[in-house]
Amino acid sequence: QVQLQQWGAGLLKPSETLSLTCAVYGGSLNTNYWTWIRQSPGKGLEWIGEINHSGGTTYNPSLQSRVTISVDTSKNQFSLNLNSLTAADTAVYYCARLPAAITYFFDSWGQGTLVTVSS
Amino acid sequence: QSVLTQPPSISAAPGQKVTISCSGSSSNIGSNYVAWYQQLPGTAPRLLIYNTNDRPSGIPDRFSGSKSGTSATLGITGLHTGDEADYYCGTWDSSLSVVVFGGGTKLTVL
Repeated sequence: QVQLQQWGAGLLKPSETLSLTCAVYGGSLNTNYWTWIRQSPGKGLEWIGEINHSGGTTYNPSLQSRVTISVDTSKNQFSLNLNSLTAADTAVYYCARLPAAITYFFDSWGQGTLVTVSS
Repeated sequence: QSVLTQPPSISAAPGQKVTISCSGSSSNIGSNYVAWYQQLPGTAPRLLIYNTNDRPSGIPDRFSGSKSGTSATLGITGLHTGDEADYYCGTWDSSLSVVVFGGGTKLTVL
């Protein structure tokens, strides 16, 4: 059973950069795809993007100019960076596993990290 | 405003059956598999249904999924208070090139 554990700063100021990391236990980053999803009261669940083990990425077009997802296979971790933050980026951020980028479903989730953007 | 439309709330008595609808379009539900998630308060979503009507191991057969045209449905039978949660549908949208979700349905078991 794959387990995901995530961490990162929870309180940031406008214009700063969000950085979150997700560690994968009980499975390897060398298979499947790995994603970030956020949830805010105003917009519900929003898919941010995905990465595979070789570093290939796909991003939500609405966030593409500000987001970077990277992978460190030596540590079995993947990360999210989101820059130029505004209050609209306040949300709970989740990492999740995407078994295959053919049929989109997420079968393992991290515990979530509340990120608040406020001056 | 979510791309997929779900009723905001639904309620039923213990032991009863409910269905939760998820309405989309030809570019999402109409041409791709649908997934359903259960989110208990303060926790991460949990996968209930994938590939429109498959259940992951550990999910009881009280939960079922179906699709017709551009709408999908989650069915839950034998309701109990532990089923009180928010339920979300999700799928790929081939026109927008993003994963899209419904706005969620809050299930209350009275």
